Amino acid sequence: GDSVTQMEGPVTLSEEAFLTINCTYTATGYPSLFWYVQYPGEGLQLLLKATKADDKGSNKGFEATYRKETTSFHLEKGSVQVSDSAVYFCASPHTGGGADGLTFGKGTHLIIQP
Amino acid sequence: NAGVTQTPKFRVLKTGQSMTLLCAQDMNHEYMYWYRQDPGMGLRLIHYSVGEGTTAKGEVPDGYNVSRLKKQNFLLGLESAAPSQTSVYFCASTHRPTGGYTFGSGTRLTVV
Repeated sequence: GDSVTQMEGPVTLSEEAFLTINCTYTATGYPSLFWYVQYPGEGLQLLLKATKADDKGSNKGFEATYRKETTSFHLEKGSVQVSDSAVYFCASPHTGGGADGLTFGKGTHLIIQP
Repeated sequence: NAGVTQTPKFRVLKTGQSMTLLCAQDMNHEYMYWYRQDPGMGLRLIHYSVGEGTTAKGEVPDGYNVSRLKKQNFLLGLESAAPSQTSVYFCASTHRPTGGYTFGSGTRLTVV
């Protein structure tokens, strides 16, 4: 099956800093790729996705570009806020179309200080 | 706008006890999933279902059983709870696997 590797945290930044959270994947073919966010005490929420190579997903100021050359889907934001403090998960389908579930990275805990 | 509802939200069990976690979705989704989340392990798939009446094993199915008798409900059972099953359990559903999942808010289970 496919696998996902993301940088481990915690990552601590000051407000308005630039954010990058690295994610690489191994897969057969070109699966859809996802970033999820988990706020304290809550379930995961879909943050953004990309369904094919060179696609850019974006939402709430976050962006990630599906790069097949480097098998990467790094999450970026130009200016983070305290409210962005959360755990971020990169994910890809376990196999093929993904009916048999998503494989998640271990999560990156992001802490934004005022 | 209920989405995915998990009950209960918290539970403490003694070793050897049994319980059922309920997941209910009101979005008419075909696909449903049960994950467990443990510190440093990320999320791991326990069981999943691709439609009413179907179930399949995920990455860590041992010690759990599931049923999907109705399309909107996906039940996760622990027949004889063990301390290793202390975890936060999340249910998720989707209409299309490539479209992303909707998650419930989780059940925090402690087995003592």
